[in-house]
Amino acid sequence: GAVVSQHPSRVICKSGTSVKIECRSLDFQATTMFWYRQFPKQSLMLMATSNEGSKATYEQGVEKDKFLINHASLTLSTLTVTSAHPEDSSFYICSASFTGGSYEQYFGPGTRLTVT
Amino acid sequence: GENVEQHPSTLSVQEGDSAVIKCTYSDSASNYFPWYKQELGKGPQLIIDIRSNVGEKKDQRIAVTLNKTAKHFSLHITETQPEDSAVYFCAAFMKTSYDKVIFGPGTSLSVIP
Repeated sequence: GAVVSQHPSRVICKSGTSVKIECRSLDFQATTMFWYRQFPKQSLMLMATSNEGSKATYEQGVEKDKFLINHASLTLSTLTVTSAHPEDSSFYICSASFTGGSYEQYFGPGTRLTVT
Repeated sequence: GENVEQHPSTLSVQEGDSAVIKCTYSDSASNYFPWYKQELGKGPQLIIDIRSNVGEKKDQRIAVTLNKTAKHFSLHITETQPEDSAVYFCAAFMKTSYDKVIFGPGTSLSVIP
């Protein structure tokens, strides 16, 4: 149980375009989902926390207008990178937790974004 | 601010030996400490966790110890196998203006056959 999927697994886009990444909890309802960014040989950096039906809470330094997060249902959250630039190239990982009081997070397999 | 330190950054052991990774955290209010294993190109996988009301937890070859007074916790892997080779991240659940998990910088473990 507690499976989280991400789509696509890899995406290449041109500078200036937007790309959407989906995160789904397959066998449980995720009231909270998290989006992380990971650069090569570095740790995971939390970008934002989203609760179903409400606006995402962004970490300091993360531009909310550039990284649009939508958590429209208990099983789906999307991250849209708008007007992508080469420096946005990274490994994006989502995670989901069962309820607000549960600490366990279950991670998706990640999405490799390359902006050319 | 909140911080999780992790040592060593790289660790190489012979198959069958034990591996120990240590982490320290800064927020004394932290009460949940998970460990994740990340293989190349994949998302992190929770391998074991411990809560602040417990000093030690074991699951087969993996154990975690917690010292709340000193604010440090450790991962112990016994009888290491080549498939244990991966990057391991410790994390601490910190209460700030809202709850979030802070990750350590990671330890790259290599198990030499």
